[in-house]
Amino acid sequence: GDSVTQTEGLVTLTEGLPVMLNCTYQTAYSTFLFWYVQHLNEAPKLLLKSSTDNKRTEHQGFHATLHKSSSSFHLQKSSAQLSDSALYYCALRIDRGSALGRLHFGAGTQLIVIP
Amino acid sequence: EAAVTQSPRNKVAVTGGKVTLSCNQTNNHNNMYWYRQDTGHGLRLIHYSYGAGSTEKGDIPDGYKASRPSQENFSLILELATPSQTSVYFCASGDPDIYEQYFGPGTRLTVL
Repeated sequence: GDSVTQTEGLVTLTEGLPVMLNCTYQTAYSTFLFWYVQHLNEAPKLLLKSSTDNKRTEHQGFHATLHKSSSSFHLQKSSAQLSDSALYYCALRIDRGSALGRLHFGAGTQLIVIP
Repeated sequence: EAAVTQSPRNKVAVTGGKVTLSCNQTNNHNNMYWYRQDTGHGLRLIHYSYGAGSTEKGDIPDGYKASRPSQENFSLILELATPSQTSVYFCASGDPDIYEQYFGPGTRLTVL
């Protein structure tokens, strides 16, 4: 079946260091991946999305590249800021049958950036 | 700006009681979703809907019912609440052709 794996539950970084949050997925169908970000006491919001193999997509200083050969969609940023502290979800879109448009979320990675 | 609202924002219920969580969207999206959020599990889909009058089971529907009386409104119903249903519940709306789901602010439910 479909699955999304985020290996780190918690990542703690010092401000200014690079960010990399891991996401791998498994699906037998079409591939559309997302990153959602949720700041404390707020709703999740879309950060990035992609369905194009080997193409870098960027938004708000973050970037990710979908690699279908390794089933990965890791989230990266060159320099962490205190305001990046949040919960990050990787999600896989399911597009078949009655499940058209559904998202399957990973367990989430809590990013804490410290001064 | 897309808008999804939820009520109540906080709810304390007793075991065995009935709880109704409400969601309203002004985006005119056909699809609406109910998730629960728990540490270590992420966002898990409970029920969803493709339009007024339709409801579908998600990944964890047991103990929950859903109702979609109109395009704008989608309710989640716990007929007999249990402590294991203590969680934060999010409603979202979206359409397959926009490739984004818009989330409400969440409802924190505590079942004692």
